[in-house]
Amino acid sequence: NAGVTQTPKFRILKIGQSMTLQCTQDMNHNYMYWYRQDPGMGLKLIYYSVGAGITDKGEVPNGYNVSRSTTEDFPLRLELAAPSQTSVYFCASSVPGGQNIQYFGAGTRLSVL
Amino acid sequence: RKEVEQDPGPFNVPEGATVAFNCTYSNSASQSFFWYRQDCRKEPKLLMSVYSSGNEDGRFTAQLNRASQYISLLIRDSKLSDSATYLCVVIGPFGNEKLTFGTGTRLTIIP
Repeated sequence: NAGVTQTPKFRILKIGQSMTLQCTQDMNHNYMYWYRQDPGMGLKLIYYSVGAGITDKGEVPNGYNVSRSTTEDFPLRLELAAPSQTSVYFCASSVPGGQNIQYFGAGTRLSVL
Repeated sequence: RKEVEQDPGPFNVPEGATVAFNCTYSNSASQSFFWYRQDCRKEPKLLMSVYSSGNEDGRFTAQLNRASQYISLLIRDSKLSDSATYLCVVIGPFGNEKLTFGTGTRLTIIP
């Protein structure tokens, strides 16, 4: 099992550009999440999904969109990149119920200049 | 008040020493508690869950104090490989879909 795979690993965007961060998991987990982590800060939840076709906003959803058409994939879309979106983005998946142990991808480092 | 608060450190501790740090949470109805470990420029990984009765995993001991609303992590006989940032994580009280992460405590073990 590859676990949670994120692409790309690094990206530099210009202000106003758009991009999609890809996340896929092969563990058949129902729950999937997108977090951002700014330097010296904790993880902030952007969006999450409890199953295919279901998404919900987290703490910091503005400027982002998501979709969940399959159990495996949970892409994150940035429509009009802003410098405030410079961050490290982590995707995670988990099994519902119990302790909701999160399995994270390796992250995408995004700079918006 | 932040939902989950941690001393950011850094804690610089000599190898072999014992180190402990706490995490406080604001919602008394929170359900579940965890410590995650994050190495520099890596993703977080679960270190251990925290149970009401306290739990131990090798050199690591986690405690929960519901009355004072804090959890703690104790590391004995610290190793160089313990150098990392330790994230306190809280779930609840409404369902377990969303986790709240603390900002982390940075630990450096000095040879």
